[in-house]
Amino acid sequence: VQLVQSGAEVKKPGASVRVSCRSSGFTFTDYELHWLRQAPGHGPVWMATINVKSGVTKYERYFQARVTVTMQTSIRTVYLDVTRLESDDTAVYYCAREKIGAPNGLDVWGQGTTVTVS
Amino acid sequence: DLQMTQSPSSLSASVGDRVTINCRASHMITDWVAWFQQKPGKAPKLLIFEASTLQPGVSSRFSGSRSGTDFTLTISSLQPDDSASYFCQYYDASPYPFGQGTKLEIK
Repeated sequence: VQLVQSGAEVKKPGASVRVSCRSSGFTFTDYELHWLRQAPGHGPVWMATINVKSGVTKYERYFQARVTVTMQTSIRTVYLDVTRLESDDTAVYYCAREKIGAPNGLDVWGQGTTVTVS
Repeated sequence: DLQMTQSPSSLSASVGDRVTINCRASHMITDWVAWFQQKPGKAPKLLIFEASTLQPGVSSRFSGSRSGTDFTLTISSLQPDDSASYFCQYYDASPYPFGQGTKLEIK
C-alpha cells in the first residue's frame, strides 16, 4: 500500500504547479484522497479532498480560488494544481488517503513534494 | 471554524518517562480525532484514530483518551525513537484542523 508523489518543483511567483499522487496496493475507489501542505516549522494544513468513488471535491476556503484537484482513475492518480503561486506557497505538499465512510483517519501518506516559489 | 489548541508546544523528558500531550477543541465535537507523529523530513505517521483506537502496527506505549472537549495522547515508557513532533487533527468535517504541534525531546 503506497502513495507516490511527483518530484520537487521550483517555480517563479505567478506561475502554476501540478503535483501528482499515484496509488497502489489498495482499492482506489474505496477512498478519499486529501491534499495537505506543511510550511517550514508549521503543522500540516488541509487544502482539498476528492472522493474517488463519486468524483466530488471539497476545498478549504482559503485555497478555493487557486487550487484544483482532479483524478485519472485509469492510472490511479490524483492531481493537485495550484495557480498564481506566491512565496507563501513554499511548502511540502502531501497527499493522504482516508477510507470513505469510516473513522480510520489519514492512514497512508505520500512521501511529500517540496514546492519552492522563488 | 473549529480550533484545536494543542499544548505544550515543546516538552523534554527522559527515557522511561510517561508524557501527555493535550488538544482542546473550541466546541464539542465527535470522537473523530487523530494523533500523528512526525520526524524531520518525513510524512506524518498515524498513531491513534477515533480518539483512542491504536493504529495497527503502532506500539501499545501510545494511547489516546477523551474528556469532554479535551483529547490526550499519552506516551508511556519513553524511548529515544519517540523524539519527534506530535499533532492532533479533527477529521470529521472540513477544514479538518490540526493542532499547532508538540516537539518532544528525549533527554
